[in-house]
Amino acid sequence: GESVGLHLPTLSVQEGDNSIINCAYSNSASDYFIWYKQESGKGPQFIIDIRSNMDKRQGQRVTVLLNKTVKHLSLQIAATQPGDSAVYFCAENGIGDYKLSFGAGTTVTVRA
Amino acid sequence: DTAVSQTPKYLVTQMGNDKSIKCEQNLGHDTMYWYKQDSKKFLKIMFSYNNKELIINETVPNRFSPKSPDKAHLNLHINSLELGDSAVYFCASSQDRGAYGYTFGSGTRLTVV
Repeated sequence: GESVGLHLPTLSVQEGDNSIINCAYSNSASDYFIWYKQESGKGPQFIIDIRSNMDKRQGQRVTVLLNKTVKHLSLQIAATQPGDSAVYFCAENGIGDYKLSFGAGTTVTVRA
Repeated sequence: DTAVSQTPKYLVTQMGNDKSIKCEQNLGHDTMYWYKQDSKKFLKIMFSYNNKELIINETVPNRFSPKSPDKAHLNLHINSLELGDSAVYFCASSQDRGAYGYTFGSGTRLTVV
């Protein structure tokens, strides 16, 4: 089976609220994690990444948290905007891998 | 300039036909990939090429034949198309094993009728 998965398939968020998207992975050898955003009709777009030697990384309105003890990854989006409506994927890359393994995706819908 | 470009964007064809999808990247990356996204949005690796050499073939039927004429191009040829091949196919590229991220194209929606 796949090594990466998401806890919830859909998330509905009020505009202006914070969003949290969760992801679980099973491969202990994973050393690099990426969150992607996919809008309708487009390819996955890089949001933020984190390496296994870190537990938190911040970008513009986004924060990724990594808990290696429980193999859990989360993406926090601050002040969610309508343009944040999309499918979000977590993905992981193990040492030596020539591939990125994706989770199932969470569809985020922002309510006005 | 588009970093990873795929053509065509849409492809509708009949069962049994042979078709090709082309991919080009102008990022100077040495590794390229094909991913398949099914109707449930699940993304799965099909192939990866590093410096024109096949690195990963993820149990893809041999009706699918990738070809990498140079590091900037990775094309996908599909023989004897089947209904189950209908999906969105994404090309991607990275430098080496992708330790600094992967860049995806905008996808080719293949519909087999």
